[in-house]
Amino acid sequence: GENVEQHPSTLSVQEGDSAVIKCTYSDSASNYFPWYKQELGKRPQLIIDIRSNVGEKKDQRIAVTLNKTAKHFSLHITETQPEDSAVYFCAASISSNDYKLSFGAGTTVTVRA
Amino acid sequence: DGGITQSPKYLFRKEGQNVTLSCEQNLNHDAMYWYRQDPGQGLRLIYYSQIVNDFQKGDIAEGYSVSREKKESFPLTVTSAQKNPTAFYLCASSRQLSTEAFFGQGTRLTVV
Repeated sequence: GENVEQHPSTLSVQEGDSAVIKCTYSDSASNYFPWYKQELGKRPQLIIDIRSNVGEKKDQRIAVTLNKTAKHFSLHITETQPEDSAVYFCAASISSNDYKLSFGAGTTVTVRA
Repeated sequence: DGGITQSPKYLFRKEGQNVTLSCEQNLNHDAMYWYRQDPGQGLRLIYYSQIVNDFQKGDIAEGYSVSREKKESFPLTVTSAQKNPTAFYLCASSRQLSTEAFFGQGTRLTVV
């Protein structure tokens, strides 16, 4: 089955700096890669996603890049703010006809004021 | 906010008892999922269902059972066979393949 690995497990950045989280996946058939943000005590919520026919996607201060050849994708947060502090999860869907969504272990991001 | 509702928020059970966690969605989503969240281990898939009366095992299905008799409902039973049931359980649903998954607020189960 699909195996999604996520690094680092914790990340501390100074407010205003950038944060980068990297994920790798094992199944080359995976074609959908969402990122979720979970604030303390709340449910995970989708912040951005990318499909395998696109190499990069940006939404304001958040961007995701995908390298299909290397089977890795990354989340980039620029100009970090205190409200960016949360746990971030990457995920991958395993195949074209299966709803299974496999998640990485998560990255706890702390933005220092 | 509505959409997908889990109940109860907190649940306590004695060791050896089965317990059922409720998950209901009014989003008309076909797919529903159960995940277990433990510190440092992310979201691990227990079971998922793509359609009514059908479901598949995830990565950690042992000791759990589910049913999908209605599109709106996907209850999870934690059986006495689950060796370490104390955890935070999240239910989710999605409209179709490779679209946004919406999560419930979770149920924190403590077995004593």
